[in-house]
Amino acid sequence: DIQMTQSPSSLSASVGDRVTITCRASQSISSYLNWYQQKPGKAPKLLIYAASSLQGGVPSRFSGGGSGTDFTLTISSLQPDDFATYYCQQSYSTPRALTFGPGTKVDIK
Amino acid sequence: EVQLVQSGAEVKKPGESLKISCKGSGYSFPSYWIGWVRQMPGKGLEWMGIIYPGDSDTRYSPSFQGQVTISADKSIGTAYLQWSSLKASDTAMYYCARPSTSGYFSRGIVFDIWGQGTMVTVSS
Repeated sequence: DIQMTQSPSSLSASVGDRVTITCRASQSISSYLNWYQQKPGKAPKLLIYAASSLQGGVPSRFSGGGSGTDFTLTISSLQPDDFATYYCQQSYSTPRALTFGPGTKVDIK
Repeated sequence: EVQLVQSGAEVKKPGESLKISCKGSGYSFPSYWIGWVRQMPGKGLEWMGIIYPGDSDTRYSPSFQGQVTISADKSIGTAYLQWSSLKASDTAMYYCARPSTSGYFSRGIVFDIWGQGTMVTVSS
């Protein structure tokens, strides 16, 4: 099965900072990579699909990139509402193995 | 409005059985896969498995195969996750999720509709 890793596991940043999170797959997954945001006590929310497509209603400060094995999620100017945990998920595999990355927690510096 | 509404929090003892539910509304329930995700306290998201209510085709993550049963009743628009004998390690939040597109499984599936989660606590 495909393994997903993320770095860093956590980061501290200030409002207005540019933040980049990396997700790596253990084998090529083309562009079948999605990003989710999760706040404490809430369900995950889809941000980016197919590596770089912005989900409707998601602010344009979020962007995604990459293909193959290496992917990024960038927040161009961090806002107070963005402090959360971010997960990548590959959707290349069969239905039994749609693995998530371990998550990156973004908190306030 | 398209939504998934999950059953309420459960507190159970080790060895007991449990079935939690995820009811879809606002769309053709049989035509969309429903996936299940576990989140243990303070931990990340884990993919458990998925079912296509139209024909009950079910696929389990190897980590959860034999540990849980995923089912669906398309006549009432509800998917289920059940345990026959709970363990303390089953304590977690469980989410159901629906992909953005209908029909049979395709590479690139994206989950844009999520239930609110069901907290399961197993303690003696």
